[in-house]
Amino acid sequence: SSELTQDPAVSVALGQTVTITCRGDSLRRYYATWYQKKPGQAPVPVMFGRSSRPSGIPERFSGATAGSTSSLTITGTQAEDEGDYYCYCRDSAGHHAFGGGTRLSVL
Amino acid sequence: EVQLVQSGAEMKKPGESLTISCKASGYNFSTSSFTWVRQVPGKGLEWVGKSDPRESQATYSPSLEGHVTISIDKAIGTVYLRWPSLQTSDTAIYYCARQLTDFWSGYALDEWGQGTLVTVSS
Repeated sequence: SSELTQDPAVSVALGQTVTITCRGDSLRRYYATWYQKKPGQAPVPVMFGRSSRPSGIPERFSGATAGSTSSLTITGTQAEDEGDYYCYCRDSAGHHAFGGGTRLSVL
Repeated sequence: EVQLVQSGAEMKKPGESLTISCKASGYNFSTSSFTWVRQVPGKGLEWVGKSDPRESQATYSPSLEGHVTISIDKAIGTVYLRWPSLQTSDTAIYYCARQLTDFWSGYALDEWGQGTLVTVSS
């Protein structure tokens, strides 16, 4: 199954650490990638593969995978990190899917 | 610089056909896959399908297969998304994205177009 599950919303105090998780059977076999989405803008990739940051993404973003769970951690969260975060993964049939998205609020 | 430039916003009626495009530049087009992603107003990102220039057939979301067609013109570095017959439920912003083809990247979508708003209304 390519279904990916995310918590709908999380909040974090400015400067603190937050972890956003994604769960799904396909994560046991394939790496997830993560995207930040803000209103009116195209999605921006923030994490590739096991834990590889695309060019221009700050070091405060990190990723990890364990079993059927992939996680994106932001250490020292900044106000500009607020937005929706989506995980994305393929399945064994060659299809892909996004998680439902997690809205991150920075307090 | 890699760029994906999409065609402009469209307003159509139910039952009409439509093709939107995504022109790639700044790299070797023939080495990449392309994916279409949509976002229905108020909803999350949804995978529509992908096309690999090295393969003859595209792969589609099971919920959209038969309703849309993805095609590629290698000669001009452009990928297309076509609807033979639009439905109001097709109203969304559609994004094209370049998809990396290696396992270790997680088949990441590393470059994105700016999005094309498709509005279907009677």
